[in-house]
Amino acid sequence: DTGVSQDPRHKITKRGQNVTFRCDPISEHNRLYWYRQTLGQGPEFLTYFQNEAQLEKSRLLSDRFSAERPKGSFSTLEIQRTEQGDSAMYLCASSLKGQLGVGYTFGSGTRLTVV
Amino acid sequence: GQQLNQSPQSMFIQEGEDVSMNCTSSSIFNTWLWYKQDPGEGPVLLIALYKAGELTSNGRLTAQFGITRKDSFLNISASIPSDVGIYFCAGPSAYSGAGSYQLTFGKGTKLSVIP
Repeated sequence: DTGVSQDPRHKITKRGQNVTFRCDPISEHNRLYWYRQTLGQGPEFLTYFQNEAQLEKSRLLSDRFSAERPKGSFSTLEIQRTEQGDSAMYLCASSLKGQLGVGYTFGSGTRLTVV
Repeated sequence: GQQLNQSPQSMFIQEGEDVSMNCTSSSIFNTWLWYKQDPGEGPVLLIALYKAGELTSNGRLTAQFGITRKDSFLNISASIPSDVGIYFCAGPSAYSGAGSYQLTFGKGTKLSVIP
């Protein structure tokens, strides 16, 4: 399978716990994006990597959120001290250098439920 | 903040009917993107528009970039059951600068097709 892979697909956690999600992009894609999608809304940008460098971060990305992309391959998104408002679908996408939005391949997402 | 307003929010149509949905913004866009999201999956790009007045087709789908650069519409002709899903418009975020890769998405139009 050459698509974008996200793990886990579903995560239920208690409020206050830390969670980490993983994204494996398409192997030749040098750009990687994280978006968050809540029920009834469109995806909202969180952060963007080009290779291993984190080049953009949204104001949505509070200090409880951290993302890494060591060696420019897979990426992890960690949420510390989860809150109920963090419940959402977390989508990862990757692309090659090119026009904005074009060539993005989204993964199937990780659905987080904070109880 | 920047918002993309999609209408209608949802629609139920008979198989074989044509569908029209639109997206408006209070600010000017240089790029309009239309995505489709199936349940439990990430969005998939349908059509990308780069020039005011541009009309682009992709099979039974046709999209246009409004001449005011503040709106776009998507038409689906002769709908079929697999057209069911949520359709999002998207464009470059107003918070992004030159070279940014942030996308802003609308809230989506949910399409249901009755066989």
